Amino acid sequence: ETGVTQSPTHLIKTRGQQVTLRCSSQSGHNTVSWYQQALGQGPQFIFQYYREEENGRGNFPPRFSGLQFPNYSSELNVNALELDDSALYLCASRLRGAYEQYFGPGTRLTVT
Amino acid sequence: AQSVTQPDIHITVSEGASLELRCNYSYGATPYLFWYVQSPGQGLQLLLKYFSGDTLVQGIKGFEAEFKRSQSSFNLRKPSVHWSDAAEYFCAVGAGNQFYFGTGTSLTVIP
Repeated sequence: ETGVTQSPTHLIKTRGQQVTLRCSSQSGHNTVSWYQQALGQGPQFIFQYYREEENGRGNFPPRFSGLQFPNYSSELNVNALELDDSALYLCASRLRGAYEQYFGPGTRLTVT
Repeated sequence: AQSVTQPDIHITVSEGASLELRCNYSYGATPYLFWYVQSPGQGLQLLLKYFSGDTLVQGIKGFEAEFKRSQSSFNLRKPSVHWSDAAEYFCAVGAGNQFYFGTGTSLTVIP
């Protein structure tokens, strides 16, 4: 059974740029969630995808968007990057209806 | 609004001593509760979960947690801490399609 994987591991971007982060869900998991974890903080829920549609969103602006593909993998896109977007971005997958979610190792994004 | 509070930002214990990490939640319905552990630079690993039934739940690595509805708490315990338990611990509540995490408790284990 393959766990949740994320790419890239680290990323450095400049303010105003756009970034795409990728996530492959655990085998058989059809629901993917994305979280932002700022330094010293707990993860903050960005949004969740099921059947290629967003079906839950936290308090994040529209410049945070996502996609889910038929194979349940997912992307997080962030436009017009700001310095405060620097964080660890975590992807988590689960089966629809099951509350246990499993996390990937994260992508560390630094915005300069 | 849903929220999770972990009152202790940092805890230091001696190896072999017992451990209790506190978690309080605010949620109108029956919560789904979780404890995760995060090592430096890593993702989160699920330690244990509570959905319903027995209020004392067992998890991996010798951890257990007790759900107390009257106190809105879900405290994590371990009878004897090992040096490898040093990490950041997060309590979380599942509510609908969202999950709410506390700000974490950093555990230091001294020999």
